[in-house]
Amino acid sequence: DSGVTQTPKHLITATGQRVTLRCSPRSGDLSVYWYQQSLDQGLQFLIQYYNGEERAKGNILERFSAQQFPDLHSELNLSSLELGDSALYFCASSVGGTGVTGELFFGEGSRLTVL
Amino acid sequence: AQSVTQPDIHITVSEGASLELRCNYSYGATPYLFWYVQSPGQGLQLLLKYFSGDTLVQGIKGFEAEFKRSQSSFNLRKPSVHWSDAAEYFCAVGLDSNYQLIWGAGTKLIIKP
Repeated sequence: DSGVTQTPKHLITATGQRVTLRCSPRSGDLSVYWYQQSLDQGLQFLIQYYNGEERAKGNILERFSAQQFPDLHSELNLSSLELGDSALYFCASSVGGTGVTGELFFGEGSRLTVL
Repeated sequence: AQSVTQPDIHITVSEGASLELRCNYSYGATPYLFWYVQSPGQGLQLLLKYFSGDTLVQGIKGFEAEFKRSQSSFNLRKPSVHWSDAAEYFCAVGLDSNYQLIWGAGTKLIIKP
């Protein structure tokens, strides 16, 4: 158990809809990262928040947005969903503000299926 | 462009046999190097990391990796694999100039009984 909690574990929705994925980081971790994992794209970094502020942005679509709340949990909002958004979405957390020197702790992921 | 290459998409190994998974990177400076493992239905877990010093690093679950600067490689090894090692293995590289890791495409390890 990594200590990172993601909900929901599975989500099935239709094209054009909007969903929210939630992540609770490990106790004491200030950074939250969102990743998308799909068969054709592999593991793609989407966005990072550190202590409530956006720290880094990766290949995140404009239809997607995220935020980190004062209690440090984070939400990833996916809107106007397309079939290609079907993927496994991971949240990870770390103590520090950079993901390059410290260990990332991953949740078990939220599997999104868009029909 | 900065990149991390895991040339093997799949590797099949017999239980009890040795294992080597390859990872190459293309950067000028020595990066921070990581191997993560993703077991079926699970998130990724850190196996080991290299920052500096001894180029042979030990990790969890009996894995080790060797950093070879001349070859820009960080290959993962295990002397004798177990069926529970069946998983996908990801190499990742970090630079001080980036906030984020650069990930390889992953190698799926299949264990033959």
